[in-house]
Parts: sequence; C-alpha cells; structure tokens
Amino acid sequence: KNQVEQSPQSLIILEGKNCTLQCNYTVSPFSNLRWYKQDTGRGPVSLTIMTFSENTKSNGRYTATLDADTKQSSLHITASQLSDSASYICVVREMNYGGSQGNLIFGKGTKLSVKP
Amino acid sequence: KAGVTQTPRYLIKTRGQQVTLSCSPISGHRSVSWYQQTPGQGLQFLFEYFSETQRNKGNFPGRFSGRQFSNSRSEMNVSTLELGDSALYLCASSNTGTSTNEQFFGPGTRLTVL
Repeated sequence: KNQVEQSPQSLIILEGKNCTLQCNYTVSPFSNLRWYKQDTGRGPVSLTIMTFSENTKSNGRYTATLDADTKQSSLHITASQLSDSASYICVVREMNYGGSQGNLIFGKGTKLSVKP
Repeated sequence: KAGVTQTPRYLIKTRGQQVTLSCSPISGHRSVSWYQQTPGQGLQFLFEYFSETQRNKGNFPGRFSGRQFSNSRSEMNVSTLELGDSALYLCASSNTGTSTNEQFFGPGTRLTVL
C-alpha cells in the first residue's frame, strides 16, 4: 500500500533557529513530491514541488530535498520566524502505469510551533 | 484575481441527511480537486476533475460523489451522512491540471454531522 510517513509529529523550536522535517514514502512509481504549509483554519499553501529527477528546490527560507533512491524527502527551514508556526504536509503523486498521473497520497503532517 | 471560494463555510447536518458543497475555482483554472481533512486521518484525496471529466478518484465509498460544470465550478455531494463524515472539506484548483501544476486551496467547508 502506498504510504507517506512524516516525522516528527510535532516540533517546538525557538525563533531564529533552523529545523528539518522528514518525509518517507513507499509510493512507487511516483510523479512528484510536494510540501505544503497549512496555517490553522486555512487551506494548505504550496511551498515546493519536485519531480522524481530533482534533488533540491528552494523557496525563500524553505529548502526541500529529495532522494528518490531511498524514498526520502526533507524540508529545511532556515532562521525560523513566528509566522512559520503551522502544519507542514508532504504529498506524493502516484504515477499510473502508462505514465498518466495518479492519486495524491498525503502524509499526516508535522505541526511546527515557533516560540519567541 | 479572486482566489478559490467555497460555500458554505460551515454546515451542520444530522445522520442520514445529504449535503452538497460548492467550489468556484480561480478564474481560468480548469482543474478542481476535493479533499477531506480530519484530525485523525489528515488530508485524504476524494476526486479530481478536469474539463468536466473525473480524472482520478480516491478510496471513498460511493456516498461521496462530485461533478464539474462547463464553467469549471464544482460540487461534491455526500449522501446518507455518517458521524465520521464530520471533517473539513477542501477544494483546490489548478490551471492546466498537469501533475506539477501548483494547486491553490480554498478555505474549506467545515461539516459537522450530529
């Protein structure tokens, strides 16, 4: 069964510190992997998207990495800010045999709290 | 440009009833996807529509259905509501519907089933 596992479940860090969130997946074959940020009470917002051939993608203070061989991805947040407090969700798009895009498989997210 | 809008924002129903949720995508976007989000299961994919055709469907029972109209607006329907259907239902739209195209989410409809 295709799955996406995220760790840690929750994380508390001090403002200004860096942190790294992990995503392990068993989806195979896969088309792409996305990281979303979801503030409480709002819909998710896309941070990065990487195809299976990409290793890293940056969006400001957010940097995502992808190792398709080990089926692992990470999201690194640099110089955290209070506004980074949110849930971060890893999502993998299946690829159907024949190359058409399949369903999206979601991780359960990492809840990040940045404290002053 | 207006974002994705969902109506209603909040809804309370009782078991056995049916409900219809509406989603208006960003102008020009032809792909609409629906998701269910609960504290225990996280986000789960319901279905995806592109140009009025259902392209993908998640693992939900037949009580969950949807459709997309010629103006790209979409509706989802849940019949014979169960307590476990209480969730935040999110809609997302994208431009071309390709797998790498960014999805823009609406604020969601919070459904409570009593």
